[in-house]
Amino acid sequence: DGGITQSPKYLFRKEGQNVTLSCEQNLNHDAMYWYRQDPGQGLRLIYYSQIVNDFQKGDIAEGYSVSREKKESFPLTVTSAQKNPTAFYLCASSTQERPRAEAFFGQGTRLTVV
Amino acid sequence: DAKTTQPNSMESNEEEPVHLPCNHSTISGTDYIHWYRQLPSQGPEYVIHGLTSNVNNRMASLAIAEDRKSSTLILHRATLRDAAVYYCILRANFGNEKLTFGTGTRLTIIP
Repeated sequence: DGGITQSPKYLFRKEGQNVTLSCEQNLNHDAMYWYRQDPGQGLRLIYYSQIVNDFQKGDIAEGYSVSREKKESFPLTVTSAQKNPTAFYLCASSTQERPRAEAFFGQGTRLTVV
Repeated sequence: DAKTTQPNSMESNEEEPVHLPCNHSTISGTDYIHWYRQLPSQGPEYVIHGLTSNVNNRMASLAIAEDRKSSTLILHRATLRDAAVYYCILRANFGNEKLTFGTGTRLTIIP
């Protein structure tokens, strides 16, 4: 089945450690996105990529880094510079075809830093 | 980016229709109106989208105002499984798209 996969579902890390969240899609989508969601809040955009080897900062990029070396993969690294990394992280992908079709989301990774 | 405004929360009785409003007064002529919903502890899922005309699919209907400054997502017969946060967003038809979401409307279904 085509889709977008995030792993792991739950992740625990010690404070001060970098951690990388995986996002893979087999939908042949050009655009991929990372969001952060805190309890009871909406989605906030961290980084997005419209094409391989290119990405842009979203609204809350500080303390995060990404890479886009392959079309199907868009990993997110939460660095030790992120002051409050505990959150629910969501990855999405979308075609660039016009008219804009729907975006597809993964099931999320819940990161807890202790 | 053009923004949308939605009520923070709404309640509806089970098996009754639900009308979820969204205001987007700064919408541009080529922006599509998209709706997504997020069930607890899951990623959002696409519901419906439209440009100017009203749209129907198996999940819902989308009614778009003639001036396109507002829209309404209609769930014809709400069930308990429709309890979720509903997001209304605008998607530009060209250019570098950030794909941003607001806080959405939390829909509670009363049995």
